[in-house]
Amino acid sequence: DAKTTQPNSMESNEEEPVHLPCNHSTISGTDYIHWYRQLPSQGPEYVIHGLTSNVNNRMASLAIAEDRKSSTLILHRATLRDAAVYYCIQYIYGQNFVFGPGTRLSVLP
Amino acid sequence: DTEVTQTPKHLVMGMTNKKSLKCEQHMGHRAMYWYKQKAKKPPELMFVYSYEKLSINESVPSRFSPECPNSSLLNLHLHALQPEDSALYLCASSPSGEGIYGYTFGSGTRLTVV
Repeated sequence: DAKTTQPNSMESNEEEPVHLPCNHSTISGTDYIHWYRQLPSQGPEYVIHGLTSNVNNRMASLAIAEDRKSSTLILHRATLRDAAVYYCIQYIYGQNFVFGPGTRLSVLP
Repeated sequence: DTEVTQTPKHLVMGMTNKKSLKCEQHMGHRAMYWYKQKAKKPPELMFVYSYEKLSINESVPSRFSPECPNSSLLNLHLHALQPEDSALYLCASSPSGEGIYGYTFGSGTRLTVV
């Protein structure tokens, strides 16, 4: 079963920052947090992942809470192309990725 | 090459047909995966191959038969499917079977069983 909870949907205005939350209250010290997004009619696309520290890449930033029980994916300036379903996945060492329902992000022009 | 290539992109098959889905990657990844995704649902794991050996079979019916001929290629053989098997079938790969690395997904094969 998926170990994470996310809001079903969120809306953002174009060119504004978006903060997508995820709760993973059962996380242990070796579990990674991964984020993927899926655009319509495409396979999931890797966005970012991390263990303890905040992470940045060209697509997004990942802010992990100090107790690691929650994290936030930050898109710094949303564009229409960022409209997708965003999945937060708690990778449990020795197991495999289990996708939760995800958050459907709508970006308004 | 940083892609996972799946063929065909679309497939329509009858319930008595035999068909195969193909997945290929040339990133040197040693773990490959099959996922099934129904409309408006998240992907569900079907099979995991690690170093060309089947390591996970998530209680998938025997009408789905995976095969990993080499480290770059993954097939899913289909036989006697049911209409409820219609879905998007996704292939993914990762450097190893451990999730400390990201997965790379293909665009999927949209399967319709008639």
